[in-house]
Amino acid sequence: DAGVIQSPRHEVTEMGQEVTLRCKPISGHNSLFWYRQTMMRGLELLIYFNNNVPIDDSGMPEDRFSAKMPNASFSTLKIQPSEPRDSAVYFCASSLGFVSVLAKNIQYFGAGTRLSVL
Amino acid sequence: AQTVTQSQPEMSVQEAETVTLSCTYDTSENNYYLFWYKQPPSRQMILVIRQEAYKQQNATENRFSVNFQKAAKSFSLKISDSQLGDTAMYFCAFMKHGRVRFGAGTRLTVKP
Repeated sequence: DAGVIQSPRHEVTEMGQEVTLRCKPISGHNSLFWYRQTMMRGLELLIYFNNNVPIDDSGMPEDRFSAKMPNASFSTLKIQPSEPRDSAVYFCASSLGFVSVLAKNIQYFGAGTRLSVL
Repeated sequence: AQTVTQSQPEMSVQEAETVTLSCTYDTSENNYYLFWYKQPPSRQMILVIRQEAYKQQNATENRFSVNFQKAAKSFSLKISDSQLGDTAMYFCAFMKHGRVRFGAGTRLTVKP
């Protein structure tokens, strides 16, 4: 398996522009997670989906952020409008399950997208 | 809410030596998972080792092992025979019902 695939690897944009980050989870995994990593705040969970349904988006910083999962093999994280403080590395992760603590629900991370908002 | 604390922002070790990274966490849960993730300069997050809280035996993966002290809520990572490729950020993580809490990370440098 190719693992979790994120695109693009790097994104440079100007303040006010719309940014869309993409993620393809591991085939067969039914949970997907979006994280943001910054030097100041470390690694933060933004939102996670189970069976394509958003379960918890309490980590989404504000209304400028939105995430979708139209099908089991694709998810997007959109920032509109982007701001310089959104600059960070955004990780996507997927796992086989998430509810039962006894499930094999290890999260596998993608390589991340480095976003720079100028 | 669960919190994860890594009290060592940076550590260094000589190649072939042993180093231990500390992690403590706070939870009222009884069953949960603990993880150590490695993030090399490539930025990709790599799972190093995992521990189920209901297991008393410490997890081991080749040169990596943990010292899991459930009562003390401590989960340290020991790296034996350190290699240059071990240079990375190491994150301790707590997981319950799909939600993960990460520590701030420890930057480990292995010196030749």
